[in-house]
Amino acid sequence: EAGVAQSPRYKIIEKRQSVAFWCNPISGHATLYWYQQILGQGPKLLIQFQNNGVVDDSQLPKDRFSAERLKGVDSTLKIQPAKLEDSAVYLCASSPGQEYNEQFFGPGTRLTVL
Amino acid sequence: AQSVTQLDSQVPVFEEAPVELRCNYSSSVSVYLFWYVQYPNQGLQLLLKYLSGSTLVESINGFEAEFNKSQTSFHLRKPSVHISDTAEYFCAVKRRGRGGSEKLVFGKGTKLTVNP
Repeated sequence: EAGVAQSPRYKIIEKRQSVAFWCNPISGHATLYWYQQILGQGPKLLIQFQNNGVVDDSQLPKDRFSAERLKGVDSTLKIQPAKLEDSAVYLCASSPGQEYNEQFFGPGTRLTVL
Repeated sequence: AQSVTQLDSQVPVFEEAPVELRCNYSSSVSVYLFWYVQYPNQGLQLLLKYLSGSTLVESINGFEAEFNKSQTSFHLRKPSVHISDTAEYFCAVKRRGRGGSEKLVFGKGTKLTVNP
């Protein structure tokens, strides 16, 4: 079974530029999560989808971050414009459902904002 | 609100030595507790979890954790570590978020370095 795929693996941009990350969850997984992991900290949930609907985006900085999961499969996370403090690893995870007690993580995208 | 505290940011040990990675949680309700491991340049993987029942839970690679309700702890232990156990370990608690969603809240992580 293929795992969670993410691209790109690394991205370097200058502040005020835009960037997008892509995630392909495990086939059949209804729930998709985006996390931000700043160096020295644990992952922090940004947004959670159930199929193509948003369940929780309370910690998403909506003035600059957006995410979508149009067909309930792949998802894209966008930052526009980026700030220095957005430098982090962005992790995507999926699970069969919210009640399932394991999340499967992708390798992450390491973003550096200069 | 539920939160997780990992008391040690880095733990260096020698190969074949025992190790304990500490985790304390705060919660006023029943908890689900997890340990995830992150090897270099990889995503997180579930190591073990406590949902209910026996307070001692084990993983397939020799780690174990004990849920201690009175001390609100879920420490991770291994009696004899290998070089390959070098990784970052995250303790997490499942909490209820907005709209009835359930989400994981992670600690800051503990970097375990096993030296030869």
